[in-house]
Amino acid sequence: DSGVTQTPKHLITATGQRVTLRCSPRSGDLSVYWYQQSLDQGLQFLIQYYNGEERAKGNILERFSAQQFPDLHSELNLSSLELGDSALYFCASSRGGSKGNTIYFGEGSWLTVV
Amino acid sequence: DAKTTQPNSMESNEEEPVHLPCNHSTISGTDYIHWYRQLPSQGPEYVIHGLTSNVNNRMASLAIAEDRKSSTLILHRATLRDAAVYYCILRDLSGANNLFFGTGTRLTVIP
Repeated sequence: DSGVTQTPKHLITATGQRVTLRCSPRSGDLSVYWYQQSLDQGLQFLIQYYNGEERAKGNILERFSAQQFPDLHSELNLSSLELGDSALYFCASSRGGSKGNTIYFGEGSWLTVV
Repeated sequence: DAKTTQPNSMESNEEEPVHLPCNHSTISGTDYIHWYRQLPSQGPEYVIHGLTSNVNNRMASLAIAEDRKSSTLILHRATLRDAAVYYCILRDLSGANNLFFGTGTRLTVIP
């Protein structure tokens, strides 16, 4: 158990809908990351937050947004969902936001868009 | 981050040592070599990292070539639980802390 908690574990929704994935980082970790893993793209970095502020942005679509709240939990919002958004979404956390901090991953949220 | 090259897959017999290679010929002097693994249906898990010297921890050993252009992750006695995809990732100390994953090596452990 990494200490990173993600909900829901599984989610099935229809195209065009919007969903929110939630992440609680490890106790004391200030930085949160979101990754997407699909069969054809592998593990892709989406976005990083540090203490409530966006720190780095990767291959995140405009239809997706994220935020980190004052209690340090984070949410990833996915809207206007398409079939291709079906994937495993991982949240991860680290103590600090700079390189050299080990990153710990949650078990992921399976999203299926039908 | 500089690129790494790993074999797509490897097999090992249970309770035998496993040597997982990684080539990183464009590594810079400030790049750390990190290894993560991803067990089936789980998130990636940190295994080990090093800069120049060989490193050991409870999970594995990391052997780094003298010119740092390659490294090898060593599992001393493979168990069925070690079956996973192993990722070799280079990280320097500048910039953001995100990880860039390649395709990794899928390790199959044969009972």
